[in-house]
Amino acid sequence: SQKIEQNSEALNIQEGKTATLTCNYTNYSPAYLQWYRQDPGRGPVFLLLIRENEKEKRKERLKVTFDTTLKQSLFHITASQPADSATYLCALGDEGGATNKLIFGTGTLLAVQP
Amino acid sequence: ETGVTQSPTHLIKTRGQQVTLRCSSQSGHNTVSWYQQALGQGPQFIFQYYREEENGRGNFPPRFSGLQFPNYSSELNVNALELDDSALYLCASSLAGGVGNNEQFFGPGTRLTVL
Repeated sequence: SQKIEQNSEALNIQEGKTATLTCNYTNYSPAYLQWYRQDPGRGPVFLLLIRENEKEKRKERLKVTFDTTLKQSLFHITASQPADSATYLCALGDEGGATNKLIFGTGTLLAVQP
Repeated sequence: ETGVTQSPTHLIKTRGQQVTLRCSSQSGHNTVSWYQQALGQGPQFIFQYYREEENGRGNFPPRFSGLQFPNYSSELNVNALELDDSALYLCASSLAGGVGNNEQFFGPGTRLTVL
């Protein structure tokens, strides 16, 4: 069955640095991959979507890469701020793209220190 | 904040009871998905509804069932509650499936505790 892994340890970085979060998966070929942010006690908030035929996507300080050969996505936050502290979830889209079913990883907790 | 609302926000039930959770989707969205999120885990897909029909289901037993209404709002019903059903239940609305529009808008969730 499919498996999706994110950095299990919390990531602590200094304000102003670039945070890099990793998402690896096996036994799956998603039509797309998404990244979400989740704050404690709240629902996930959509950040970026990247399709299987795209290598890189950017939005303001965020950048995501998608390597379907390595079965890996990297999520970068440049010039990080304490307000970026949250749990970041990687989610694989449905293989055929026919439904909106997402398979989520367990998330990586990011803490940005001032 | 998304336009997705869920009710109730918190709920406490005992084993064996039944529960109904409700979700109002964002305006213009015709697809609703339900997820279960246990503490420290990522959300797990329960099922999706599109135009009042179930359209995709995860690995959840039949005692998890749902409905979607003509206004695209939705209900999640869980029968014969078990302790392991304690979790945050999330509703997400979106446009219909297909690689083009798959951004999902999540509600704040319903925290269910089964004693």
